[in-house]
Amino acid sequence: DSGVTQTPKHLITATGQRVTLRCSPRSGDLSVYWYQQSLDQGLQFLIQYYNGEERAKGNILERFSAQQFPDLHSELNLSSLELGDSALYFCASSVDSAGYYGYTFGSGTRLTVV
Amino acid sequence: SQKIEQNSEALNIQEGKTATLTCNYTNYSPAYLQWYRQDPGRGPVFLLLIRENEKEKRKERLKVTFDTTLKQSLFHITASQPADSATYLCALVTSGTYKYIFGTGTRLKVLA
Repeated sequence: DSGVTQTPKHLITATGQRVTLRCSPRSGDLSVYWYQQSLDQGLQFLIQYYNGEERAKGNILERFSAQQFPDLHSELNLSSLELGDSALYFCASSVDSAGYYGYTFGSGTRLTVV
Repeated sequence: SQKIEQNSEALNIQEGKTATLTCNYTNYSPAYLQWYRQDPGRGPVFLLLIRENEKEKRKERLKVTFDTTLKQSLFHITASQPADSATYLCALVTSGTYKYIFGTGTRLKVLA
């Protein structure tokens, strides 16, 4: 157990629907990062929050949004889902804003859009 | 264009040998580079970090080198074991912006 908790582990939904992925960072970590990993693709950075504030944005689609709550857990909202959104979505956390000591990843949410 | 490349082909080696994985980058100014291990269906696990002014870092059977002239990092696993079989990812962190860029990973298989 890495200390980063992601729920749900698996999600199957239809095109056009909306889903919410949840992440609780490791205790003491202030940064939360969201990544998407598709087959044959590397980890694609989506967005980072640090202590409740958006810190950095990657290749996140406008249909996707995220937030970090006062208790530091984070949610990633994916809407108007398309088949191509099927992927593993990882949350990671770090104690600092730069990830200098490395990221701690959760075990991911596998999203299947049918 | 900016890119970070790892050998996309799987690397098969015999147990007990040293595995060497390569991470090359272009058009980035790195602050540091990290290596992660990822098992199928699991999240990556942080292994080692090396700063841009360091040449080499060791941790148990792992060794990482960083050559900013060649724009390359090498990751070595000595006395490899079947349990070392996994995908290994390098992540370059850019100086100033501390932007993380992951490579696509190299799948290592250690044969008993």
